[in-house]
Amino acid sequence: DAGITQSPRHKVTETGTPVTLRCHQTENHRYMYWYRQDPGHGLRLIHYSYGVKDTDKGEVSDGYSVSRSKTEDFLLTLESATSSQTSVYFCATTPQGPTNTEAFFGQGTRLTVV
Amino acid sequence: QKEVEQNSGPLSVPEGAIASLNCTYSDRGSQSFFWYRQYSGKSPELIMFIYSNGDKEDGRFTAQLNKASQYVSLLIRDSQPSDSATYLCAVNSGSGNTPLVFGKGTRLSVIA
Repeated sequence: DAGITQSPRHKVTETGTPVTLRCHQTENHRYMYWYRQDPGHGLRLIHYSYGVKDTDKGEVSDGYSVSRSKTEDFLLTLESATSSQTSVYFCATTPQGPTNTEAFFGQGTRLTVV
Repeated sequence: QKEVEQNSGPLSVPEGAIASLNCTYSDRGSQSFFWYRQYSGKSPELIMFIYSNGDKEDGRFTAQLNKASQYVSLLIRDSQPSDSATYLCAVNSGSGNTPLVFGKGTRLSVIA
């Protein structure tokens, strides 16, 4: 299995509080991604990174920010959590670009905003 | 907006039958196509990828690609109850950093 670890695995938080999810990889993959998965919507890209300090927005980036200060860690921050951000969050990595290469996924983080 | 469409299912097939899962995509420039399997409560895992028109076989799985029709499918032969899962189609445009776009997935149920 690819060495991708997400933490925490489960979290319940209150509306309006900041939350940070962590993705840690030991594969030295250049690209990292944050997706959310909701019933009826599939996997939707939030943000991605194509190198240290290089990030870009995805399809559903509003209310989220990311940081990547070193190759192995990609942090996703919900600046002020809302109930609409209740979801399962997946981190994924690819060795180089996303073209013609397998994406490896972490175990997922189930976030509930109450 | 690049879109990937799949029937949500559930698709129910009897054990031993062929399951056929379909996917269409909107970006005619797409170059690489992936099928991921996701068991309930688990993360997606890659089953097959295909880049060229035609068929690609791997064990009981066959991926089929028709770029002219913007259509990719996954056939599962001799379906087993352990194949029951959600199957996600993912497409990449092949340009620069553009990440994968996923369909919403088709839920497959193989009935013993």
